[in-house]
Amino acid sequence: DAGVIQSPRHEVTEMGQEVTLRCKPISGHDYLFWYRQTMMRGLELLIYFNNNVPIDDSGMPEDRFSAKMPNASFSTLKIQPSEPRDSAVYFCASSYDRATLQETQYFGPGTRLLVL
Amino acid sequence: AQTVTQSQPEMSVQEAETVTLSCTYDTSESNYYLFWYKQPPSRQMILVIRQEAYKQQNATENRFSVNFQKAAKSFSLKISDSQLGDTAMYFCAFMKLGFGNEKLTFGTGTRLTIIP
Repeated sequence: DAGVIQSPRHEVTEMGQEVTLRCKPISGHDYLFWYRQTMMRGLELLIYFNNNVPIDDSGMPEDRFSAKMPNASFSTLKIQPSEPRDSAVYFCASSYDRATLQETQYFGPGTRLLVL
Repeated sequence: AQTVTQSQPEMSVQEAETVTLSCTYDTSESNYYLFWYKQPPSRQMILVIRQEAYKQQNATENRFSVNFQKAAKSFSLKISDSQLGDTAMYFCAFMKLGFGNEKLTFGTGTRLTIIP
């Protein structure tokens, strides 16, 4: 398996622009997580899905952030409008292999977002 | 709520030496998982090792091993024969068992530098 795939790997945008981050989880995994990492706040869980359904979005900072999972192999995290304080590394992770019943989270390479 | 504490913000060790990173956690749960993740300068989050709390035997993965002390709520990571490629941030993480408990609680990390 290719692991969790995220795109783009780097994104530079201007304040006010819409940003869309994409994630393809590991095939067969039931859970998908979106994290944000900054120096000040460390790793924060933003939202996670089970079988494409959002389970907990209490970590989503505000209405400017939205996440969707239209099918088992694709999820997006959208920021509209973006602000400089959104600059961070955004990770996607997936877990729960039904075949092995293993709940370990595997992370994608991250998207480094810089909002100017 | 669970908390994870990594009391060593930074450590350094000579190549080929052994180093131990400490982690303590606080929980009232009896069944849970513990993890160590490595984050090298590339920012990728890489699973190093995992431990199920119901297992008394300490997990081992090649040069990496843990000392899991359930009563003391301690979960240290030992790296033997350290290599330059081990230079990274190391995060300890906790996860409860069961549906609805899939979130990871991370410590603040230990920055490990291997000196040539």
